[in-house]
Amino acid sequence: EDKVVQSPLSLVVHEGDTVTLNCSYEVTNFRSLLWYKQEKKAPTFLFMLTSSGIEKKSGRLSSILDKKELSSILNITATQTGDSAIYLCAVEGYNTDKLIFGTGTRLQVFP
Amino acid sequence: DADVTQTPRNRITKTGKRIMLECSQTKGHDRMYWYRQDPGLGLRLIYYSFDVKDINKGEISDGYSVSRQAQAKFSLSLESAIPNQTALYFCATSDPGQQETQYFGPGTRLLVL
Repeated sequence: EDKVVQSPLSLVVHEGDTVTLNCSYEVTNFRSLLWYKQEKKAPTFLFMLTSSGIEKKSGRLSSILDKKELSSILNITATQTGDSAIYLCAVEGYNTDKLIFGTGTRLQVFP
Repeated sequence: DADVTQTPRNRITKTGKRIMLECSQTKGHDRMYWYRQDPGLGLRLIYYSFDVKDINKGEISDGYSVSRQAQAKFSLSLESAIPNQTALYFCATSDPGQQETQYFGPGTRLLVL
């Protein structure tokens, strides 16, 4: 059965800290892994990863995929209160056109 | 203007009532999805549709039905609502050429008493 597991489930840090969020997956014929940020309501797209070892960056956020370990990490450096959100990881396999989501990591950044 | 809209945004209903959640999109995407989100369970797929004539069950379709009235409209119905259907419901769309990137509506918070 395809599944996505994220850790930690919850994280509380102070502004300026660096955080690493983890996502591991089991999916038949892996195609891509995606990260979303969910603040108040709807998730918004952050990154799509398809190849191992290639880092995607957007400002203070970066992510990398390790196909050997069936995992991905999302790094946020110099965190700000605006980074407080739920971060969702999702994967897709070639055998399916659906995304499988993890439970998310809730990040709280305090001043 | 929002590309994906959902109505209503909040709804309180009673057990046994029929309720419909509506989703409209202006992105011109063929693919539309309904998810529910529960604390600790993440997003789970209820139904999805790849075009007007195509309807597919997701992982938790029991107790739900859908209708794809047009390319731009995809509605979700609870024929007889029950309390464990209390959740946050999201509609999403995607382009077949960019299936991995889904665009989400703002969500509908449903409370079944």
